[in-house]
Amino acid sequence: DQQVKQNSPSLSVQEGRISILNCDYTNSMFDYFLWYKKYPAEGPTFLISISSIKDKNEDGRFTVFLNKSAKHLSLHIVPSQPGDSAVYFCAARMINDYKLSFGAGTTVTVRA
Amino acid sequence: EAQVTQNPRYLITVTGKKLTVTCSQNMNHEYMSWYRQDPGLGLRQIYYSMNVEVTDKGDVPEGYKVSRKEKRNFPLILESPSPNQTSLYFCASSLLGVSEQPQHFGDGTRLSIL
Repeated sequence: DQQVKQNSPSLSVQEGRISILNCDYTNSMFDYFLWYKKYPAEGPTFLISISSIKDKNEDGRFTVFLNKSAKHLSLHIVPSQPGDSAVYFCAARMINDYKLSFGAGTTVTVRA
Repeated sequence: EAQVTQNPRYLITVTGKKLTVTCSQNMNHEYMSWYRQDPGLGLRQIYYSMNVEVTDKGDVPEGYKVSRKEKRNFPLILESPSPNQTSLYFCASSLLGVSEQPQHFGDGTRLSIL
């Protein structure tokens, strides 16, 4: 049973606009959340993370929002660029546990 | 350059023929892990290791073995591969005891078991 869910398999956005990726989780013990980006033929690379004690974390064009009561997080990319076209994985882990539980991924395509 | 290296990158083999996928990291990380990625399922953990000679099962360990004789290496062994082990495999590593330390991933190994 998947504890981290990304219900949108794909997202298409025009260059310069905002990309919003969503992620839901079921395990209330998760306390640390990460987003990974993956290009074809490469491994996932860490993008941004957020601890459960925060509700927002920003790093340049990337912002992650966490709503613990709804067990929901989202990744905002503003503005979207062609190089952002990739698969984005949401991941979560519990305190003192290094295992990551991943969502199925969302493929983002940024149109010129 | 800090990296996780997997070999081979691609392998096509037949049912029952033992194979090993190697994983090596140069970051002196204690924690290492194997994941498999399948369509619609994301990445699922197979096995992990907290340090040398310390390994444990992840969510989908059936049909796999691992060993951790050296800190830098964490090979994945398929003693008798079957078609349902056709997948994309990733090795990852991270430091222990460092809060919010993300895992670093290798570039993946695509296995096809015929």
